[in-house]
Amino acid sequence: GQQLNQSPQSMFIQEGEDVSMNCTSSSIFNTWLWYKQEPGEGPVLLIALYKAGELTSNGRLTAQFGITRKDSFLNISASIPSDVGIYFCAGQNYGGSQGNLIFGKGTKLSVKP
Amino acid sequence: NAGVTQTPKFQVLKTGQSMTLQCAQDMNHNSMYWYRQDPGMGLRLIYYSASEGTTDKGEVPNGYNVSRLNKREFSLRLESAAPSQTSVYFCASSAGQGSLRGYTFGSGTRLTVV
Repeated sequence: GQQLNQSPQSMFIQEGEDVSMNCTSSSIFNTWLWYKQEPGEGPVLLIALYKAGELTSNGRLTAQFGITRKDSFLNISASIPSDVGIYFCAGQNYGGSQGNLIFGKGTKLSVKP
Repeated sequence: NAGVTQTPKFQVLKTGQSMTLQCAQDMNHNSMYWYRQDPGMGLRLIYYSASEGTTDKGEVPNGYNVSRLNKREFSLRLESAAPSQTSVYFCASSAGQGSLRGYTFGSGTRLTVV
């Protein structure tokens, strides 16, 4: 089945630094989504991308849907301690079980005050 | 608040015991899902229910069964728990397969099998 490669696996950064993470696939997706999971909680949707080349922001977060439809990127600017968590990318297609989300393995973000 | 509710939040089982994890959503969603999360493995789909009355296997269904009791509720059963099933289990729901709004997740059940 389809698999997503998400990198980096983990990041340790200083408060105020910018963060970049990405997700790649061997096959195309029609939708890319980014989730954040805080400790002890379930993942929460941050950003959804529906069109190749689309760039969407949500506060300090910016995500892009790659032109090839095989990748997506998430950037966090001026990180703060509450950005700590695991960030998951997810790809989705249309129709039947293809509509199920495929998740990356996550990027664990640690922010040092 | 509207959302996905999972019970229990924590559970310790002995090998061979059985238990059912409960999940309910109040968003009138059609599709529901069960995932397990293990360190370094991300979220792996166990079973899903595209709509009331249907269930299908996901990536890691062995050792589990599910029941879509009604539109709101989707339960996951471990008939004979094994240490390999120690994990965090998440239930999720969506308006439908292919919904462009993604999934809403519950806060998880942390299961330890000893």
